[in-house]
Amino acid sequence: GAGVSQSPRYKVAKRGQDVALRCDPISGHVSLFWYQQALGQGPEFLTYFQNEAQLDKSGLPSDRFFAERPEGSVSTLKIQRTQQEDSAVYLCASSLTDTEAFFGQGTRLTVV
Amino acid sequence: DQQVKQNSPSLSVQEGRISILNCDYTNSMFDYFLWYKKYPAEGPTFLISISSIKDKNEDGRFTVFLNKSAKHLSLHIVPSQPGDSAVYFCAAKLSGGSNYKLTFGKGTLLTVNP
Repeated sequence: GAGVSQSPRYKVAKRGQDVALRCDPISGHVSLFWYQQALGQGPEFLTYFQNEAQLDKSGLPSDRFFAERPEGSVSTLKIQRTQQEDSAVYLCASSLTDTEAFFGQGTRLTVV
Repeated sequence: DQQVKQNSPSLSVQEGRISILNCDYTNSMFDYFLWYKKYPAEGPTFLISISSIKDKNEDGRFTVFLNKSAKHLSLHIVPSQPGDSAVYFCAAKLSGGSNYKLTFGKGTLLTVNP
């Protein structure tokens, strides 16, 4: 597709359940980002990949959060043992080097 | 500690008039600024940007002004249209090695009334 694609669009998880969120970036985009957007807030940086290398994971809130991009294209954000405070929209973005980032529609995660 | 602040949660303007959205930042190392527009249930869409070496950038109906000494930027939309109704996010990038990471404000909901 032409844009960044994220799946699923919506996810409801029971507290303690593991979830995996997928991101298909724009073809050829080297850089990939994950952001978390809580209700009423702006997106907050989670992690950054350049190709398959995870260069920055300083924004991941805890060791329950894990991201990978093994072949430098599709990325997965995994959250283990979900908690209510993990409820948010998770946004993926991709870009060519040093250009503006293009965002996907996001995955809305609700932990009940 | 919010490094990028959008102090107006909402703004309402009449169609055809000017919309002015404001953004303040605290980190003097930011050197590139962007505005994103977000419709409900969609991801943010890039709108316009400005480098810190400039004080103005214009693209059609959208103009961004940067006042470095005041650490303030604003987005002007002229004339405003109902389709401009959305949440607008101001974002900033650091210079140097961390220039990939965007720091966002909380957003301003713009409503343009017909």
